Amino acid sequence: ETGVTQTPRHLVMGMTNKKSLKCEQHLGHNAMYWYKQSAKKPLELMFVYNFKEQTENNSVPSRFSPECPNSSHLFLHLHTLQPEDSALYLCASSQERQEYSYNSPLHFGNGTRLTVT
Amino acid sequence: GENVEQHPSTLSVQEGDSAVIKCTYSDSASNYFPWYKQELGKGPQLIIDIRSNVGEKKDQRIAVTLNKTAKHFSLHITETQPEDSAVYFCAASGNQFYFGTGTSLTVIP
Repeated sequence: ETGVTQTPRHLVMGMTNKKSLKCEQHLGHNAMYWYKQSAKKPLELMFVYNFKEQTENNSVPSRFSPECPNSSHLFLHLHTLQPEDSALYLCASSQERQEYSYNSPLHFGNGTRLTVT
Repeated sequence: GENVEQHPSTLSVQEGDSAVIKCTYSDSASNYFPWYKQELGKGPQLIIDIRSNVGEKKDQRIAVTLNKTAKHFSLHITETQPEDSAVYFCAASGNQFYFGTGTSLTVIP
């Protein structure tokens, strides 16, 4: 058990569908993140929330829409995706993000394997 | 921004031998260097980390070394076991985490 739970584990969706990924952390952390993991590429940071406020949007297309209702829950709403969006989407949490400091380790969930057909 | 390079991309060792994975970074402001292990079907799990005020850290069979002057850090696994087989990622952290591309380690029984 990682302390960070992601659902669903697998998702297949068409390009016109709307779906949502869910993440929940039980670690008492105040920062939550969405990362995209594609083969042979470094983990790509998508969004950061610190104390429920979005602090970073790493030039992510608007077809990805995050939502953070509280410090324990994070969603990624998906709409009109492209086949190249197929990847493993990882949620992570950490102690609060201090400005100019990322010295708290990330704790990852097991990811959602997304396939866009 | 930061650029983290990781080598090798794949590594095979005999059980009981040592494995070494190396990373370099470009931003001298990076001050925290975690290593993650990712098993098939799971997310990355933190296995060891080191901060810039320390040159070496060890935890049982795993050790990490950091050379700030040369901007490189390495993961050392001794007495490898089949369960060490996984993908290992290094990361450098200043104002955000930058990850390497991963090393797929296979330990041959």
